[in-house]
Amino acid sequence: GQQVMQIPQYQHVQEGEDFTTYCNSSTTLSNIQWYKQRPGGHPVFLIQLVKSGEVKKQKRLTFQFGEAKKNSSLHITATQTTDVGTYFCAGRRGGGSNYKLTFGKGTLLTVNP
Amino acid sequence: DSGVTQTPKHLITATGQRVTLRCSPRSGDLSVYWYQQSLDQGLQFLIQYYNGEERAKGNILERFSAQQFPDLHSELNLSSLELGDSALYFCASSVYTGVPDTQYFGPGTRLTVL
Repeated sequence: GQQVMQIPQYQHVQEGEDFTTYCNSSTTLSNIQWYKQRPGGHPVFLIQLVKSGEVKKQKRLTFQFGEAKKNSSLHITATQTTDVGTYFCAGRRGGGSNYKLTFGKGTLLTVNP
Repeated sequence: DSGVTQTPKHLITATGQRVTLRCSPRSGDLSVYWYQQSLDQGLQFLIQYYNGEERAKGNILERFSAQQFPDLHSELNLSSLELGDSALYFCASSVYTGVPDTQYFGPGTRLTVL
């Protein structure tokens, strides 16, 4: 079945450093979503990427979708303590009525103030 | 606050028992999704309902079942519980307009099986 691998599993940074998490799928994706889960919280939708090579920015966060639509990345510039949490990518294969999202295992980001 | 509600917040039960988790989607959302989150398996999609009908199935065990009622709330039934079923169970909802859309997650139900 479809697998979505996410690396690294953990990342600890000093406040102000950059952070990147990578997501790789074993199959071509129709779209990919990114979620953030704060400690003790629930996943919160961040963004969705649909087009090959798409790049989207949200303030200090930059999201990319690979040309082959099999990989994606999330880059945070100048991390802050409020960025702490687990970042998940979630890929959807195919289209039509296929709404099954396959989540990566997430990257836990901790930030040292 | 996502607008999705889940009850109960915590549930402690014994092996072999049966429990029901409840989810109310955001107002206007027709689709409900159930996920299981455990430390070793991450976030696993279980099942999706749309307007009362099952739409997609993931890694849901035969001991688990779900349904969505006419008022669009959903229940996830877990039976013959095992220690390994201890996890966080999330419900999410979306509008489901026929194109990929955002899922809004509820606060989750933490199930502990002793």
